[in-house]
Amino acid sequence: GAVVSQHPSWVICKSGTSVKIECRSLDFQATTMFWYRQFPKQSLMLMATSNEGSKATYEQGVEKDKFLINHASLTLSTLTVTSAHPEDSSFYICSARPTGTHTDTQYFGPGTRLTVL
Amino acid sequence: QKEVEQNSGPLSVPEGAIASLNCTYSDRGSQSFFWYRQYSGKSPELIMFIYSNGDKEDGRFTAQLNKASQYVSLLIRDSQPSDSATYLCATGGGGNNRLAFGKGNQVVVIP
Repeated sequence: GAVVSQHPSWVICKSGTSVKIECRSLDFQATTMFWYRQFPKQSLMLMATSNEGSKATYEQGVEKDKFLINHASLTLSTLTVTSAHPEDSSFYICSARPTGTHTDTQYFGPGTRLTVL
Repeated sequence: QKEVEQNSGPLSVPEGAIASLNCTYSDRGSQSFFWYRQYSGKSPELIMFIYSNGDKEDGRFTAQLNKASQYVSLLIRDSQPSDSATYLCATGGGGNNRLAFGKGNQVVVIP
């Protein structure tokens, strides 16, 4: 149980294009999902908290107009990197917190490796 | 600012030995504590969670929590080469749904 999927697992795009990443909780509902970014050999960095049916909460320094988050259902959140540039190349990982639990347990997706040329 | 501190690494242990990882946290309001394992190039995987003071065992893993001293530890018994990874400590329960992560501790099990 508690499986989270991400699609695509990797993507290569040209500078200036937009990329959409999907995060799905497969066997549970998740009112809250999270988007992280991780550069090589560095720590996880929380980008934003995604809440179903409401606006995402972005961490300081993360541009909300560049990283668009939509959490349209209890099992799906999407992250769109708009006008991607090479410095956006990173490992993007989502996590999901099961609805109705009294803990803060987060289950992570397998990640999406983005390369911007 | 909630802080989670982990020992600097990496930690090298011979195969079959016990690997011991420690983590301290600053937020006394933390209610839940997690250990995630992250293999190189992969995403974190939940391996243990603990809410109450004391020990919790799951297979070769034991998590220990001491809220008074604000530390949580992870023991890996009979370490295997497949345990070579970075282990992330995380705390939650501060009221904002988020987890506070440590920077991680790399473990290298030497055959």
